[in-house]
Amino acid sequence: GAVVSQHPSWVICKSGTSVKIECRSLDFQATTMFWYRQFPKQSLMLMATSNEGSKATYEQGVEKDKFLINHASLTLSTLTVTSAHPEDSSFYICSPGQTYEQYFGPGTRLTVT
Amino acid sequence: QKEVEQDPGPLSVPEGAIVSLNCTYSNSAFQYFMWYRQYSRKGPELLMYTYSSGNKEDGRFTAQVDKSSKYISLFIRDSQPSDSATYLCAMRENNNDMRFGAGTRLTVKP
Repeated sequence: GAVVSQHPSWVICKSGTSVKIECRSLDFQATTMFWYRQFPKQSLMLMATSNEGSKATYEQGVEKDKFLINHASLTLSTLTVTSAHPEDSSFYICSPGQTYEQYFGPGTRLTVT
Repeated sequence: QKEVEQDPGPLSVPEGAIVSLNCTYSNSAFQYFMWYRQYSRKGPELLMYTYSSGNKEDGRFTAQVDKSSKYISLFIRDSQPSDSATYLCAMRENNNDMRFGAGTRLTVKP
């Protein structure tokens, strides 16, 4: 299966600051990257879909100016949570959309205090 | 009605039991069906992948897809405490977005 890494695995930040989450596909080139958010005891919710070299497509209700996605290369995509608030505390997971079966990164736990 | 329905449980079974997990769906265009296992605070791990209808077996795991009934199942034989996790069903049409079930929390007691 595909190997996907995320960094950091856990981050705590203060309200109002910005946090960048990196997602790397280690063994293949990902032209598409899905970003998901998962609240405790809930399923994954798709936030946005990014394609290498172009702007991301955001799901309804997801603020594009708050969740900045950059997919500058085929192996790296980043999600920046700007002006984070406690309600942004969640588990963020990336997934390269390369194959039908879809693999996921290990996730990044964000806690905003 | 949700596009994918999955009983969130929790489900608790004794070690060695056969576990049956299932999902129903409403979109007849779904063709790709997956089961993921997710441990607490970890990303989902792909367990089984099935295209269209039929059965697929991998070790202690068997996935079944019945497109006529819009029903998919995952069976775990000889369940182990290490199988304790949340199991997510997921499905998609071609290259479209994947749709997830709510996830079923499973506990296998020693």
